Amino acid sequence: KAGVTQTPRYLIKTRGQQVTLSCSPISGHRSVSWYQQTPGQGLQFLFEYFSETQRNKGNFPGRFSGRQFSNSRSEMNVSTLELGDSALYLCASSLEPTMNTEAFFGQGTRLTVV
Amino acid sequence: DQQVKQNSPSLSVQEGRISILNCDYTNSMFDYFLWYKKYPAEGPTFLISISSIKDKNEDGRFTVFLNKSAKHLSLHIVPSQPGDSAVYFCAALGTTSGTYKYIFGTGTRLKVLA
Repeated sequence: KAGVTQTPRYLIKTRGQQVTLSCSPISGHRSVSWYQQTPGQGLQFLFEYFSETQRNKGNFPGRFSGRQFSNSRSEMNVSTLELGDSALYLCASSLEPTMNTEAFFGQGTRLTVV
Repeated sequence: DQQVKQNSPSLSVQEGRISILNCDYTNSMFDYFLWYKKYPAEGPTFLISISSIKDKNEDGRFTVFLNKSAKHLSLHIVPSQPGDSAVYFCAALGTTSGTYKYIFGTGTRLKVLA
């Protein structure tokens, strides 16, 4: 079966713009989590969605938001982009919310803010 | 084989004092660690996390310390409050057999005495 699909793979935006990233989970998976990976900070948890509801949220400013649709696809939005938002954004899907389940990751979206 | 261990099933602390919850892991390939808090009849709530490239992360009353050489992490809560009484789970995220997987510890029940 198809894995986790993230689009686009690469993106270049300018400061102040907004961006929307998309994640299609593995068929049947209802939980989607988003992570930001940067060389200086490593991997950081953004938020988790299950059945269209945000269940958990990391320590990111309100410029970072997300949503999940009825087909479990999720989008992440970053408004008023800053240079420091340049990172690899990873999405992971799992059958259930985080608790003894495997999470499968997509290949990520590489966002560059100039 | 339990890859993530929380050896203390329970802990009691006086209100206002420091609570220290410990977690040990065996797989040096884990690159991200999370702490969750769980109240009875509710799902786990994300609390704080740390990337393997860091040794400390602080958020308000909560601080997580990571000692990679000892494969040990700890969660400090200062000062402890009665509302902190819950079960705390540590989780490690890393690759196992080529796929990312969450591995959870068995939990430590914290009781903060007023």
